[in-house]
Amino acid sequence: EVQLLESGGGLVQPGGSLRLSCAASGFTFTNNAMSWVRQAPGKGLEWVSGISGGGGTTYYADSVKGRFTISRDNSKNTLYLQMNTLRAEDTAVYYCAKDRAYSGSYWDYWGQGTLVTVSS
Amino acid sequence: DIQMTQSPSTLSASVGDRVTITCRASQSISNWLAWYQQKAGKAPKLLIYKASSLESGVPSRFSGSGSGTEFTLTISSLQPDDFASYYCQQYNSNWTFGQGTKVEIK
Repeated sequence: EVQLLESGGGLVQPGGSLRLSCAASGFTFTNNAMSWVRQAPGKGLEWVSGISGGGGTTYYADSVKGRFTISRDNSKNTLYLQMNTLRAEDTAVYYCAKDRAYSGSYWDYWGQGTLVTVSS
Repeated sequence: DIQMTQSPSTLSASVGDRVTITCRASQSISNWLAWYQQKAGKAPKLLIYKASSLESGVPSRFSGSGSGTEFTLTISSLQPDDFASYYCQQYNSNWTFGQGTKVEIK
């Protein structure tokens, strides 16, 4: 059974940093691209960042480019999102999502989400 | 960037109704489109991929159609479990979601 478990969310001040993790199980992690998707309170879904199965290709939404870094450790079956220079508008539930393919398709499994709140 | 425009934003319907949600892309995305269902406080769930392919385990009352820039999600006979929000998503060039459609009880 595929499972994705996010952690690392919490309250952080504007300008601060946070690292999210997503522990994956139930599938061959290196075979699938992964993404982070967020949802601000009461709002729709917004793709944040993606990474290919081997980790060699990364993608970012314009809203986070230069501030967020996606990475993965295939030996630990874990996806990461390093978030720097956080802003109030980054407040959201962050989901990790498993891509059906090695790179760039749709997402067939999602984690339960972790809440990031950026506030002073 | 490819923009996705979804309509309507809210839809009021009754159990048994046929429901259609539309999604338009700002440029052609071929059939690289997925539909997701999201219930309050839960993660999204994949319903349809490649515009019209039904994900395993999803009831056959859900169907998708379209290609290029115009797409639809149809629920043939709305069931109580279907009251939720629905999102289209393009994966032709990076990923973009539509704004979402909330299906409410009439």
